[in-house]
Amino acid sequence: KQEVTQIPAALSVPEGENLVLNCSFTDSAIYNLQWFRQDPGKGLTSLLLIQSSQREQTSGRLNASLDKSSGRSTLYIAASQPGDSATYLCAVYQGGSEKLVFGKGTKLTVNP
Amino acid sequence: GAVVSQHPSWVICKSGTSVKIECRSLDFQATTMFWYRQFPKQSLMLMATSNEGSKATYEQGVEKDKFLINHASLTLSTLTVTSAHPEDSSFYICSARETGGHSPLHFGNGTRLTVT
Repeated sequence: KQEVTQIPAALSVPEGENLVLNCSFTDSAIYNLQWFRQDPGKGLTSLLLIQSSQREQTSGRLNASLDKSSGRSTLYIAASQPGDSATYLCAVYQGGSEKLVFGKGTKLTVNP
Repeated sequence: GAVVSQHPSWVICKSGTSVKIECRSLDFQATTMFWYRQFPKQSLMLMATSNEGSKATYEQGVEKDKFLINHASLTLSTLTVTSAHPEDSSFYICSARETGGHSPLHFGNGTRLTVT
């Protein structure tokens, strides 16, 4: 059974700092990996989708990497801003399936 | 971009009543939609996969007679929580992917259900 773990559970940083969020998964037979952002009481906003054949994806100040063999992904946020404060969720698509398995998320607070 | 609309955004109901939640894909067709549940400080857990024109597929431990899913068209899936109890209070989120291809899943804004 696939398990997704995100570390740390919570992170508080000053504005402008670069930071890394970690995600690990137990079964490397994944199809894709996706990072989401969730604001309090809201749904999910897709940030980056990394296909299994890719090693990283970039969008603006965000960069996500994927190492299937070690079962790890990282989300790098450059020059953090207070508006980045949210919970960041990592999720993996099981091979041959459209089902997403989510981690519990990392709650990020960027202090002005 | 693709938008998934979920309604209502929040609902309070009395124990024993039923509540219907709608999930619509506004500008794309979705053969398959997914329903998730999220308890406080927990992961989103997949409840069921909703298939247009056929029966939903439920995950282990999810009661199909309690959580009725109907996917009557390519743009609408509904989740009905029947005979709701306080332990059903949770955040319910639907998602959908455009039919065909490997596009990412798009999520609705969720429905906060509180059963009193």
